[in-house]
Amino acid sequence: GAVVSQHPSWVICKSGTSVKIECRSLDFQATTMFWYRQFPKQSLMLMATSNEGSKATYEQGVEKDKFLINHASLTLSTLTVTSAHPEDSSFYICSARVSGSGGNEQFFGPGTRLTVL
Amino acid sequence: RKEVEQDPGPFNVPEGATVAFNCTYSNSASQSFFWYRQDCRKEPKLLMSVYSSGNEDGRFTAQLNRASQYISLLIRDSKLSDSATYLCVVREDSSYKLIFGSGTRLLVRP
Repeated sequence: GAVVSQHPSWVICKSGTSVKIECRSLDFQATTMFWYRQFPKQSLMLMATSNEGSKATYEQGVEKDKFLINHASLTLSTLTVTSAHPEDSSFYICSARVSGSGGNEQFFGPGTRLTVL
Repeated sequence: RKEVEQDPGPFNVPEGATVAFNCTYSNSASQSFFWYRQDCRKEPKLLMSVYSSGNEDGRFTAQLNRASQYISLLIRDSKLSDSATYLCVVREDSSYKLIFGSGTRLLVRP
């Protein structure tokens, strides 16, 4: 299957700092990437849909000014958690959908574990 | 009501056992369904798609009942390596968004 990478795989930061997470499709082009968040013992919750060259679409309850998404190319989307607080500590996972894929399978990155002190 | 509901488990079974997981979804217009597997602190991985006619992949069988809005996964001859959380997933076909259930945890013991 297609490969999606995320960087960093984990990050620890102080409260109030901003953290950028990168999601890359390594061997395919992805028109659409999705950002999920998973709190302990809970399932993945979609935060936003990121389309190349346009503004991201955020799910209800997700603050777009706090979680900045940029999808500047067909292989890279970034999520920036601005002014992170301890309640933002979570497992952030991206997925990418292959452009033009009739099968519409999404490939997941390995996730980024964020801990805010 | 959650869009996708699952029994959280855990299901604790011996090796070789047969175990079944159930899932219900709320949107009757949903067309695409999947089972994913997630190991601890890892990303989810696609286990299998679920088709109306039912489908089998080795020891795994998935069934869909549209009338009851119910999806199932059957695992035969459980292996230790099957221990994981199994996520029932429904896809919105217009947006390709995946809606995850909270997962059912399986523990297979020797």
